[in-house]
Amino acid sequence: DTAVSQTPKYLVTQMGNDKSIKCEQNLGHDTMYWYKQDSKKFLKIMFSYNNKELIINETVPNRFSPKSPDKAHLNLHINSLELGDSAVYFCASSQVRAGGGETQYFGPGTRLLVL
Amino acid sequence: AQSVTQLGSHVSVSEGALVLLRCNYSSSVPPYLFWYVQYPNQGLQLLLKYTTGATLVKGINGFEAEFKKSETSFHLTKPSAHMSDAAEYFCAVTGGGNKLTFGTGTQLKVEL
Repeated sequence: DTAVSQTPKYLVTQMGNDKSIKCEQNLGHDTMYWYKQDSKKFLKIMFSYNNKELIINETVPNRFSPKSPDKAHLNLHINSLELGDSAVYFCASSQVRAGGGETQYFGPGTRLLVL
Repeated sequence: AQSVTQLGSHVSVSEGALVLLRCNYSSSVPPYLFWYVQYPNQGLQLLLKYTTGATLVKGINGFEAEFKKSETSFHLTKPSAHMSDAAEYFCAVTGGGNKLTFGTGTQLKVEL
């Protein structure tokens, strides 16, 4: 029933490890996003995929690699985790339309803590 | 490029009082403006948005916002605060593409 879901909800790991976060949307949207929310609650876009094609790639370390196996899924893999990667990661989706202004629907977030 | 400034990282009101959360934007193209709410340990939920047309936009839970181009503002209001309104509120802008730029957020506290 959930529109945008993420797994896991919580992730605690050691520095240097590799981890993945998964996102799925059942809204039939063609575009998906990853956002990072830092400890001060500042939200910043990381990536966006439209129909499995990368369309937004902000200045993000290349340790972060998004993968979109199909329109409904967008996963985020993080290599060699660092303390500064600790944050809440949100997945979102939208249906792009001519002229813009579409609503982005957010998942519940994945709280990543790197020790 | 677009940017958003939210004045006041913390706002406190009494239950039943007017809620006013301020948002000013900067955009080189006609903006689309959004207000999202985030409850503790949850994702973001859209309250309302302005795309084109009527400048006074009504959203969920009794919130509304007015787009004022001359003031580059999109302030969020609610006539009477309820305890359940306590949350983090984010103003966001996009310039026709799908890249949302968020403000730094305003934490709303509602006191008895």
